[in-house]
Amino acid sequence: AQSVTQLGSHVSVSEGALVLLRCNYSSSVPPYLFWYVQYPNQGLQLLLKYTTGATLVKGINGFEAEFKKSETSFHLTKPSAHMSDAAEYFCAVSDQPGGYQKVTFGTGTKLQVIP
Amino acid sequence: GAGVSQTPSNKVTEKGKYVELRCDPISGHTALYWYRQSLGQGPEFLIYFQGTGAADDSGLPNDRFFAVRPEGSVSTLKIQRTERGDSAVYLCASSLSPGLAGADGGTQYFGPGTRLLVL
Repeated sequence: AQSVTQLGSHVSVSEGALVLLRCNYSSSVPPYLFWYVQYPNQGLQLLLKYTTGATLVKGINGFEAEFKKSETSFHLTKPSAHMSDAAEYFCAVSDQPGGYQKVTFGTGTKLQVIP
Repeated sequence: GAGVSQTPSNKVTEKGKYVELRCDPISGHTALYWYRQSLGQGPEFLIYFQGTGAADDSGLPNDRFFAVRPEGSVSTLKIQRTERGDSAVYLCASSLSPGLAGADGGTQYFGPGTRLLVL
């Protein structure tokens, strides 16, 4: 079974400050890891994903995440927050039981950016 | 191009009624997923279609829930005898290929969801 834990349901940062959203996973097989963003009244959008290879993954809008197997973590960071980053962020893990992605999501972290 | 669309965007119904939720995937996407997102929670997997067939329906909570995709494109999620606990946002996603090794890396594109409220 796989699961995801996101620490902090709400995170507030000042505009221009570092964004750090925490995610820890549990998986019985090598994990595939994702971060999605959900803006109000919009669908989930993929920010970035880790499958294999380089453990530092770069995504859209200046976000990146690092896969750390020893810590079972996949934290999301952005050096400088922008007002437009205010949204809800979901960490997710998947395996591929039959060649398709069965994705398990965390409970989400709402990011507030303070001007 | 057009993304995944879902109709209706909002649905209010009474306990015990039957509802249908529709998903129009991106044209050409063979894989289609349904998720349910309850308040304060992340999306939970319900069912996966590859083409017309439901390859994995292990996430459907009980036999009141059923989904079809008769022509391998549009999908309908059907809920019988609705209960207040069914209130949630129902999300649909599609992907060009199902697996991470396939075209587009199996990226799932999500629709805006249908917000279902059972009174």
